[in-house]
Amino acid sequence: QKEVEQNSGPLSVPEGAIASLNCTYSDRVSQSFFWYRQYSGKSPELIMSIYSNGDKEDGRFTAQLNKASQYVSLLIRDSQPSDSATYLCAVMTRQGAQKLVFGQGTRLTINP
Amino acid sequence: EAGVAQSPRYKIIEKRQSVAFWCNPISGHATLYWYQQILGQGPKLLIQFQNNGVVDDSQLPKDRFSAERLKGVDSTLKIQPAKLEDSAVYLCASSLWAVEETQYFGPGTRLLVL
Repeated sequence: QKEVEQNSGPLSVPEGAIASLNCTYSDRVSQSFFWYRQYSGKSPELIMSIYSNGDKEDGRFTAQLNKASQYVSLLIRDSQPSDSATYLCAVMTRQGAQKLVFGQGTRLTINP
Repeated sequence: EAGVAQSPRYKIIEKRQSVAFWCNPISGHATLYWYQQILGQGPKLLIQFQNNGVVDDSQLPKDRFSAERLKGVDSTLKIQPAKLEDSAVYLCASSLWAVEETQYFGPGTRLLVL
C-alpha cells in the first residue's frame, strides 16, 4: 500500500463548478496534511494545510480531514481555468524521521 | 524576499557521467530538502538537512548520490555515475526550522540522462 494515494486523473471540471480532489494515507499517526498546486513545468506551491478533523476554508479552497478514515480532500469552488494544474497531497509521516510524503498528484483541467 | 535558488535549470548528460546541482535556500532557513520528482509522480525526499547536519537520508541511493551542506547555507547534490532512471526534476526546498513548517520550493533542475 502506498503511503499517500491519489487518483492521477485527469479530472475534468467545467468552469464555475466545484472540483473535488481526494487523498488517502496509510500512516495512522500522521498529524499534518498539505495540498500543493503544481503548474506544468513549475515547482509545487503550498495552497492549504490542515491539522484537525473537519473543514478549513481559505477563499475558494476548502480542505477536509477525516483522521478516522485516513482521508483528506480539497474542494475548489467556482473553478477557474487558472486552477488547471496538478494537485499534490502531502502527509507529514512520523515513521522514522518526520518527513513530507507526497502522493502522485491529480491532474485537474477546468474547461471554459 | 528572495526565493530558493537552484542551478543549473537544465542538464543533459550521458549515462555513467557525473553531475552536480546547487541550491541556495531562503535566507535564514535552517532546514533544506532535496527531492526527486520523476515525470508523473510526486516529489520524493532524498535528503533533509538541518543547518549542516543530516536529519534523514534514508531514501538517498548512497552508492551514487551524495549531498552536502557546508556552513549550513548552500547545498550541492551530486550523482556519480548517472543512470537512465535518474532522469527527473531535482527540487530543492527550505523551511524556517521545523519540518512541519511550510516548505518553499525552488524552480528545480531538470536532468535528462541519455
